This record gives sequence, C-alpha cells and structure tokens, in this order.
Amino acid sequence: AQSVTQLDSQVPVFEEAPVELRCNYSSSVSVYLFWYVQYPNQGLQLLLKYLSGSTLVESINGFEAEFNKSQTSFHLRKPSVHISDTAEYFCAVSDRGAQKLVFGQGTRLTINP
Amino acid sequence: GAVVSQHPSRVICKSGTSVKIECRSLDFQATTMFWYRQFPKQSLMLMATSNEGSKATYEQGVEKDKFLINHASLTLSTLTVTSAHPEDSSFYICSARSTSGTSYEQYFGPGTRLTVT
Repeated sequence: AQSVTQLDSQVPVFEEAPVELRCNYSSSVSVYLFWYVQYPNQGLQLLLKYLSGSTLVESINGFEAEFNKSQTSFHLRKPSVHISDTAEYFCAVSDRGAQKLVFGQGTRLTINP
Repeated sequence: GAVVSQHPSRVICKSGTSVKIECRSLDFQATTMFWYRQFPKQSLMLMATSNEGSKATYEQGVEKDKFLINHASLTLSTLTVTSAHPEDSSFYICSARSTSGTSYEQYFGPGTRLTVT
C-alpha cells in the first residue's frame, strides 16, 4: 500500500516570491507520482506527473517537481508565483499495477499581493 | 480533449431520499471510472472503482448498499446515494481513465456538492 504526506496544510507567500510545496510518499513498489491542483469550487486538474526517465518534470505554467527516490519525495516548486496560483494542491501516488490514486492531505497555497 | 462532466453540480435533498449523480466522459471512452469523496478542507478518499459492464469494487469501509454504482456504458457511470442522511453531505468527485493511450492518467470531473437536510 502507498501513502502520501504533505507536510504543510497551508502555505502563504507574497506574489512573485518562490514557493515549495512538500510531498513525501511511502511505497514498497515502484510508483507514479502526480501533482493535482484544485481551484475553488472546481474539480482536480493534473499539474504534472512523473512516470519514468528524467526526475525533473515541468508544467506549462512554470511549476516543476523533482522525484527523489532516496528521500521518497516529490516536492513542487515555482520560482515566482502569481495571484492566479491560489489553489489547493494535492500530491498523489499510484502503483504501476492497479493504478489507484492515493492522495495527500493537500496544501492550500495563498498568494498575497 | 479528455473532458469529464458531472451532473448535477449541486444538489440538496431531504434526509431519507435517494440522489443520483452522473459522471460522463465527453470525448473519450472510459473502461474504468473512480468515485471519490472529499470532506471540507480534506483530501480525496477513493470510494470505489467502477468498471464498465461489471460490479464496482468498493474500498474498505464504504457501504456498497448505500452507495450504488452503475457503469453501464463506456462513457457513463452513476453513483446513487440511497436513503441519504446529513452525514452523507460531501463533495463527490468522479474520474475516468481512458481506454486508449497511456493507461495511467485519470481525468477528473468538476464534482457534485451534496447537501442532505
């Protein structure tokens, strides 16, 4: 079984500041890793994913995440945030077999002007 | 592409009544759909996995007689909350996995907010 821990329930930052949202996972098998974003009153949207290959993955809106196998982490980063990045961010893991997603608790990112 | 819709987006019902929520994949076929429940300010919890043409697989602790799931076609799955009670009030989200292309990715619907009074 897999589990995901997002260490920060809330992260407030100022606009144009860098941000890192932390995610650690636990699994006895190889996994896929995902970050999803949920804007207020909306469903989840896939932000980025790690399947294999390069450990650094990027999204189209400037976010990136790095898979660190030794630390079992998949932290999400952005060098300069915008007001529009205000949302809930969920880290998720799935095994490569059943492929059921297990979500972390979520991190609420709040951008202050 | 890969759009999933849910209907209704919001529903209010009285205690003891049943409510049906639809999940549709609009532009792709989905052999597998997933139903999640999200409590306020909490994460998504998988309730069940729905496979087209077969019985749903429920997660531990989810009452299958209370949360009836039907996946009658490759584009439609329904979740019926039977004899709803206030504690069933929640945000219900479905996702669908495409039959083609990469099998890992799930596409999420916008969710249905159920309020039981």
